[in-house]
Amino acid sequence: GQNIDQPTEMTATEGAIVQINCTYQTSGFNGLFWYQQHAGEAPTFLSYNVLDGLEEKGRFSSFLSRSKGYSYLLLKELQMKDSASYLCAVRDPNSWGKFQFGAGTQVVVTP
Amino acid sequence: DGGITQSPKYLFRKEGQNVTLSCEQNLNHDAMYWYRQDPGQGLRLIYYSQIVNDFQKGDIAEGYSVSREKKESFPLTVTSAQKNPTAFYLCASSSGRYEKLFFGSGTQLSVL
Repeated sequence: GQNIDQPTEMTATEGAIVQINCTYQTSGFNGLFWYQQHAGEAPTFLSYNVLDGLEEKGRFSSFLSRSKGYSYLLLKELQMKDSASYLCAVRDPNSWGKFQFGAGTQVVVTP
Repeated sequence: DGGITQSPKYLFRKEGQNVTLSCEQNLNHDAMYWYRQDPGQGLRLIYYSQIVNDFQKGDIAEGYSVSREKKESFPLTVTSAQKNPTAFYLCASSSGRYEKLFFGSGTQLSVL
């Protein structure tokens, strides 16, 4: 079956680092995406991994291990505006590239 | 600026009523999608359309209907058959099956 797991909530201090883990079990794999979503707003694209390894983009980095069905999103130098929900999504090539989403991880940044 | 526009931002439905959520994009994307978001759950796919005049059911299509008469527009109707319609509805588009999704700002639907 299809299953994507990520923690429900994480709390960290401004300026710190937080790592959000995502594990997946899907029938197919054609890339893993991370989106950021502020409450009541549209999810916005953060990163994409299709090969194993680390992708770095400014304060945000994302890692993928396909053999382990595992990814993480690393947020460095946390700012108050980073308080949001972070969605992990896997694209399934067997279903016309449909995305399977995790429930999201709510990150709370405290002063 | 290119983007996806959803309207209205908030919508209330009475018992037995059909309501339609609007989604318009000017990104020139072929593919469009409708997702439902409930608290504590991941986004679930309702319907998607790969091209004009064609659409397919997603994982939770029962009680919903769509049309795709124009490339720019993909309205979603929540029918009276949908018994639990209260949710946040997100429209998205992509330039192809292997491209990332762009999302609209969402419509919060509630039942009176």
